[in-house]
Amino acid sequence: EAQVTQNPRYLITVTGKKLTVTCSQNMNHEYMSWYRQDPGLGLRQIYYSMNVEVTDKGDVPEGYKVSRKEKRNFPLILESPSPNQTSLYFCASSTRGQGDGGYTFGSGTRLTVV
Amino acid sequence: SQKIEQNSEALNIQEGKTATLTCNYTNYSPAYLQWYRQDPGRGPVFLLLIRENEKEKRKERLKVTFDTTLKQSLFHITASQPADSATYLCALPMDSSYKLIFGSGTRLLVRP
Repeated sequence: EAQVTQNPRYLITVTGKKLTVTCSQNMNHEYMSWYRQDPGLGLRQIYYSMNVEVTDKGDVPEGYKVSRKEKRNFPLILESPSPNQTSLYFCASSTRGQGDGGYTFGSGTRLTVV
Repeated sequence: SQKIEQNSEALNIQEGKTATLTCNYTNYSPAYLQWYRQDPGRGPVFLLLIRENEKEKRKERLKVTFDTTLKQSLFHITASQPADSATYLCALPMDSSYKLIFGSGTRLLVRP
C-alpha cells in the first residue's frame, strides 16, 4: 500500500530533550515536506526537500532540523524542544511533476513539550 | 504576500443537499489548485486538482470550479451524506515551485 509512515503517533517530552520524528514513504517520491498544524493557524510548512541531499526552509523553520540522506526518509529533528513546539505534525510526499496527484500525508504526530 | 481565505465558520447542511465551499486567494496566479479532506486528528487526504485552464472538474459527487478572474475556487459536494462531514482545505502552489500553501479550511457538518 502506498503510504507515508510517521512515528511516533504520540509523544510527550520535556523541554530541552532532543527528539526525532521519523517519516518514510514507499512511493519513490522526490518531494517531501514537514508541516505543523495549530488551531486557528492551519498547516504551516517547516522544511521541505526536493530530492536527496536537497532541503530548504519553509515558513516556520526555527527550532527544527531535517536531513534527506535517502529518498524515502525525511526525519524531523528538534534539538532542544520548547513548549511552543507543542503541535500536530504532518509529513507529506509527492512527485515533483505536476500531474493530477496531490500530496500524500502521514497520519500525524501529536507532540507535547512540557 | 500570497493569501488564501476559506470561510472559518462551519457549514451546516441537511443530508441530501449540495454543500458549496469557497476558496479565495490574493496576490496570486497559481497554475493549479488542490482540494483536500481532513478528519479530526488525521492527515489531509487529496481529493482533486484543477488547472488554471480548466473551468470545472468532477469526480463522483465532487465538483470543483476555478475562476482565475475572480481568484476563486468553489468546491461542491452533491447529495451530501453525514460521512462527508470533515474539514476541507484548499491549497495552491507557491510561485512556480511545487511547494503548497494551505488555507485554514472550512468545517462541513452534514445532518442526517
